[in-house]
Amino acid sequence: AQSVTQLGSHVSVSEGALVLLRCNYSSSVPPYLFWYVQYPNQGLQLLLKYTSAATLVKGINGFEAEFKKSETSFHLTKPSAHMSDAAEYFCAVSAGGTSYGKLTFGQGTILTVHP
Amino acid sequence: GAVVSQHPSWVICKSGTSVKIECRSLDFQATTMFWYRQFPKQSLMLMATSNEGSKATYEQGVEKDKFLINHASLTLSTLTVTSAHPEDSSFYICSASRRFHTDTQYFGPGTRLTVL
Repeated sequence: AQSVTQLGSHVSVSEGALVLLRCNYSSSVPPYLFWYVQYPNQGLQLLLKYTSAATLVKGINGFEAEFKKSETSFHLTKPSAHMSDAAEYFCAVSAGGTSYGKLTFGQGTILTVHP
Repeated sequence: GAVVSQHPSWVICKSGTSVKIECRSLDFQATTMFWYRQFPKQSLMLMATSNEGSKATYEQGVEKDKFLINHASLTLSTLTVTSAHPEDSSFYICSASRRFHTDTQYFGPGTRLTVL
């Protein structure tokens, strides 16, 4: 069984400030971890994914996430927020074996960026 | 590349009727498609996984006779909500992945179903 917890349903930052979106996971097997972004009226878009290679993963639009097994975390960061980063972000986990490809999502974090 | 569309984007129907939602991969062949449901202020919940030419695999608690899934081609999967009731009102989202790349899913924009 696997689960994902995103801490904070809403996060608000100023333009140029650090973005930190928190994600903790639970998985009985080594997980694959993902961050997706959803802009209004659009489908989810993959930002980045961890699949047991480098623990620091770089994604699109300047985002990165670090897999920390000891903390069961996969927090998403961006050094400097841009207005265009305002969206809803989802963390997701997938297991291997027969569950390969099946995603379990967190509840999402809405990011607001103030000028 | 890797665009997935859904049709319709929203639908309103009367209780007891059936509604079909289409999911298409526009520029790639999708050997696996996934159907999710998202209730307001909740996360996406996987309903079923379908592989082209095979019967769909449903998650626990999802009624296969109520949510009929067909994946007859490499670019099209359909979800039919049969005898819809108000509690079926939700946001239905599909995703698609390429052969041997199931770890990457491309998502459609979703379909908002409202059952009166």
